[in-house]
Amino acid sequence: GAVVSQHPSRVICKSGTSVKIECRSLDFQATTMFWYRQFPKQSLMLMATSNEGSKATYEQGVEKDKFLINHASLTLSTLTVTSAHPEDSSFYICSARDRSTDTQYFGPGTRLTVL
Amino acid sequence: AQSVSQHNHHVILSEAASLELGCNYSYGGTVNLFWYVQYPGQHLQLLLKYFSGDPLVKGIKGFEAEFIKSKFSFNLRKPSVQWSDTAEYFCAVNAPSGYSTLTFGKGTMLLVSP
Repeated sequence: GAVVSQHPSRVICKSGTSVKIECRSLDFQATTMFWYRQFPKQSLMLMATSNEGSKATYEQGVEKDKFLINHASLTLSTLTVTSAHPEDSSFYICSARDRSTDTQYFGPGTRLTVL
Repeated sequence: AQSVSQHNHHVILSEAASLELGCNYSYGGTVNLFWYVQYPGQHLQLLLKYFSGDPLVKGIKGFEAEFIKSKFSFNLRKPSVQWSDTAEYFCAVNAPSGYSTLTFGKGTMLLVSP
């Protein structure tokens, strides 16, 4: 089946620094990728939709200058959390849409802890 | 806008019991329907999906779901659960156009006791 990877799986950083998370589709091309946050014991909250070669579409309430998304190729999207604060600590999950099956496949997630 | 409602937040069953998890959605047009599963410490995995055709769909690990259009429902079922089915189950829908953004339910945590 389709595989999506994320890197890193865990990251701990100091407040004020920036963190980049990578999302890759390993065996299919993904013109569209999605970034989610998952809070403990809650469902996934869509942050933004990333389209290859164009600007990301952010959900209401998500700061585009804080969560920078780049989708430079058909297999890679990156999320950069800029000037991270403790409240940004969360589990960030990406998914990639396989156009041939119109199905999203999810990465394993990245646990971000901001001290 | 689409919305998804999962009726039970927590379900506790004994092994070999039958399972049915409810999912209702709200959307005026054609939808694609999905069930994802998240095992402890693992990422979301696709369990099954419905796009069109036979409203009874079969997925992996003995799961099935039935799409009832008149009830806007897509309930997940398994005749006999196993301890290894302990996980969180998410129902999701999208409209088959545009970016196919998924809308998730809040999830149901299933605990199967041996």
